Amino acid sequence: GAGVSQTPSNKVTEKGKYVELRCDPISGHTALYWYRQSLGQGPEFLIYFQGTGAADDSGLPNDRFFAVRPEGSVSTLKIQRTERGDSAVYLCASSPDRRGEQYFGPGTRLTVT
Amino acid sequence: AQSVAQPEDQVNVAEGNPLTVKCTYSVSGNPYLFWYVQYPNRGLQFLLKYITGDNLVKGSYGFEAEFNKSQTSFHLKKPSALVSDSALYFCAVRDRGGATNKLIFGTGTLLAVQP
Repeated sequence: GAGVSQTPSNKVTEKGKYVELRCDPISGHTALYWYRQSLGQGPEFLIYFQGTGAADDSGLPNDRFFAVRPEGSVSTLKIQRTERGDSAVYLCASSPDRRGEQYFGPGTRLTVT
Repeated sequence: AQSVAQPEDQVNVAEGNPLTVKCTYSVSGNPYLFWYVQYPNRGLQFLLKYITGDNLVKGSYGFEAEFNKSQTSFHLKKPSALVSDSALYFCAVRDRGGATNKLIFGTGTLLAVQP
């Protein structure tokens, strides 16, 4: 079956611009996670959705970052006023429920120039 | 706070030789431990997990991991390395402190298998 998909695969933007990153989870998976992976580091947790609600957003670095999942399926990570330090690979993962195994998408590589 | 450590940035091994990628953990209570592999320009792929039960866990692609409670380790092993095993390997622990069950990852170990 189809895995987790993320679009775009690459995004280059100028400092100060707004970007949206999309995640399409595995069908039927209620739990969705966003992680950020900086160069040379392991992925770091950003936000977790159970259904439509953000159950834990403790990993979001500041209020420029926001994510939604309005219908409990596709999720969008939104970054306002991008900074060069936001450059990283943004990974999405989904799970049948919060206790299940997490399946990762290929990631979106964001470069802020 | 829960954490994992991968003490080696890179491991080099000749094809056909056994390989070990090290991971140690620090958790309160019983750990839920995972290994993931990342190939270039691809997402993380699940290899194996330890939740409870046998200390030797078998996973995908011939990999296995040994849970050692006294040494707080969860090393990844394979009896005979392949060139195609060359990739970035991450150890992770599931955060059981809240309702999220988010994964906390190590910094990764690059495995290079020479032909």
